[in-house]
Amino acid sequence: GAVVSQHPSRVICKSGTSVKIECRSLDFQATTMFWYRQFPKQSLMLMATSNEGSKATYEQGVEKDKFLINHASLTLSTLTVTSAHPEDSSFYICSARDPPRDRDGETQYFGPGTRLLVL
Amino acid sequence: GDSVTQMEGPVTLSEEAFLTINCTYTATGYPSLFWYVQYPGEGLQLLLKATKADDKGSNKGFEATYRKETTSFHLEKGSVQVSDSAVYFCALRRAAGNKLTFGGGTRVLVKP
Repeated sequence: GAVVSQHPSRVICKSGTSVKIECRSLDFQATTMFWYRQFPKQSLMLMATSNEGSKATYEQGVEKDKFLINHASLTLSTLTVTSAHPEDSSFYICSARDPPRDRDGETQYFGPGTRLLVL
Repeated sequence: GDSVTQMEGPVTLSEEAFLTINCTYTATGYPSLFWYVQYPGEGLQLLLKATKADDKGSNKGFEATYRKETTSFHLEKGSVQVSDSAVYFCALRRAAGNKLTFGGGTRVLVKP
């Protein structure tokens, strides 16, 4: 089946530094990838939709200058948390669509997530 | 706006017990409804879905019926196994667009 990986799985950083999280589709090309954030015991919140070769579309309330998304190739999207602060600590999850296998637009393949802790 | 509410966990069961996880939603129009499962260390996987009222989604012994009148999509399994231990997420998607709205997730632990 379609596999999505994320790297790193866990990261600890100091306040004020920037952190990059990678999301890769391993066996398919993903024209669209999604970035979610999950707080403890809360639901996944869509942050942005990333389309290959174009600017990401951010959800209301998500700072695009804070969370930089780059979808430079059909198999890689990156999320950079700039000038991270403790309140950015969270679980970040990406997902990707595989259009040939996703005729009805329903299926997203999820990565295992990245846990970010900002000290 | 759209929202999904599901029962908080953790839910602890013995093997072969009956499992129900309640899920209710608020959305305009006629959304598609989903259950996703996340096994330890893995990404969310689509477990089952239903796209219109009274549809029943089923997979791996799990079932859920789209109830428009009660805006619910409860997940059930008649006899759980240890391997069903995971976090289960209920979600909806509006008819237009690809945005998924998730519930908070329910952790299920099945003991031998």
